[in-house]
Amino acid sequence: DQQVKQNSPSLSVQEGRISILNCDYTNSMFDYFLWYKKYPAEGPTFLISISSIKDKNEDGRFTVFLNKSAKHLSLHIVPSQPGDSAVYFCAASGPMHSKTSYDKVIFGPGTSLSVIP
Amino acid sequence: EPEVTQTPSHQVTQMGQEVILRCVPISNHLYFYWYRQILGQKVEFLVSFYNNEISEKSEIFDDQFSVERPDGSNFTLKIRSTKLEDSAMYFCASRFGLAGTDTQYFGPGTRLTVL
Repeated sequence: DQQVKQNSPSLSVQEGRISILNCDYTNSMFDYFLWYKKYPAEGPTFLISISSIKDKNEDGRFTVFLNKSAKHLSLHIVPSQPGDSAVYFCAASGPMHSKTSYDKVIFGPGTSLSVIP
Repeated sequence: EPEVTQTPSHQVTQMGQEVILRCVPISNHLYFYWYRQILGQKVEFLVSFYNNEISEKSEIFDDQFSVERPDGSNFTLKIRSTKLEDSAMYFCASRFGLAGTDTQYFGPGTRLTVL
């Protein structure tokens, strides 16, 4: 039951260039989307989120784009830095404020990003 | 910056033994969660907890699992009789819970090894 998909298991990018990580989802009830970064043997670290009422959210070098009609979101990192090398998880949840709440976060399988100096 | 903490960082136990994993969520958060990640697999939801009761649980969260918030700060996950397949990283998460504060923040995890 793959409700959140990340079809690229890995991605290599040159330092200073743009990293684009993609994510697709199938459940139209999701209304909140998150990106987490994870290093081995550590917990997921929250990076950036977007509500379904928006199509773009930006925080420093990180921008998340949401295309609801395509059920697709992407994370752009620009410029990429070697410290960005980690596994990036796309995640989804919601709706938060209704009786039928998908309170849990559903994670994708992750994309391992390597930024080459 | 406030963070979720978990203890121990690594727990080794014999099959059939009980384990308790401990978490201290962010202090003003209202919703609490446990997730796990078996090596090489996805992070999976186990249970959510709000207002001193379970609000949702996955099919993984069977009768061997229980959660408790024994005081105002700790949130625990108990596995009564561990199985080999319970070996995984267990992550606690918490969320403030009001509109616009939907992000779940995760702890560093407890690595559970069942021998």
